[in-house]
Amino acid sequence: QVHLVQSGGDVKKPGASVKVSCKASGYTFDSYGIAWVRQAPGQRPEWMGWISGYNGNTDYAQKFKGRVTMTTDTSTTTVYLDLRSLRPDDTAVYYCARKRGYSYGHLDYWGQGTLVTVSS
Amino acid sequence: DIQMTQSPSSLSAFVGDRVTITCQASQDIGNFLNWFQQTPGKAPKLLIYDASNLETGVPSRFSGRRSGTTFTFTISNLQPEDVATYYCQQYDRLPTFGGGTKVDI
Repeated sequence: QVHLVQSGGDVKKPGASVKVSCKASGYTFDSYGIAWVRQAPGQRPEWMGWISGYNGNTDYAQKFKGRVTMTTDTSTTTVYLDLRSLRPDDTAVYYCARKRGYSYGHLDYWGQGTLVTVSS
Repeated sequence: DIQMTQSPSSLSAFVGDRVTITCQASQDIGNFLNWFQQTPGKAPKLLIYDASNLETGVPSRFSGRRSGTTFTFTISNLQPEDVATYYCQQYDRLPTFGGGTKVDI
């Protein structure tokens, strides 16, 4: 069955970078995209962008452009989220999710989440 | 960005009750709307996609419908395991989520 397993939580200082991984298994990796969604404590989820498992094309939310990079390693079916210039308001649980369908599609399987805490 | 206004923000009902949640889109999004269920400490779970399609494996007591830019989500026979926060999400443009509805028994 489909599994998305994320890396463990991290604590970073303001201005630092964080890299979160998402290992996918149980499906044909290049037939789906992977989206990243974050959720600050007590807040609604927030879409960050997605990456194609087929060709690595990305589509980032305008809010994160210039600070975020999403990459794939097809040999290990792992997707990475790199977020730079961290601020305290980047403190959130970061989720990867499999994207099914065209355009932004449906997020049908999710990772367990990775808590990133940004604090001095 | 498209704004999704979800109501109520919380509700309490009895086991067996019919529960309805509403999401109002700030502009036409067609049927490009999903509903998610989230329990504390867990990732959201897709329940309904394209406004009214039940995701595989999801109990049939969950349903969704669209009327213009207003979307409703219904639990027809509330069960104890349905205690959760429910979110709508539009994906016609950059995806955005509603503010959530916390459902208690």
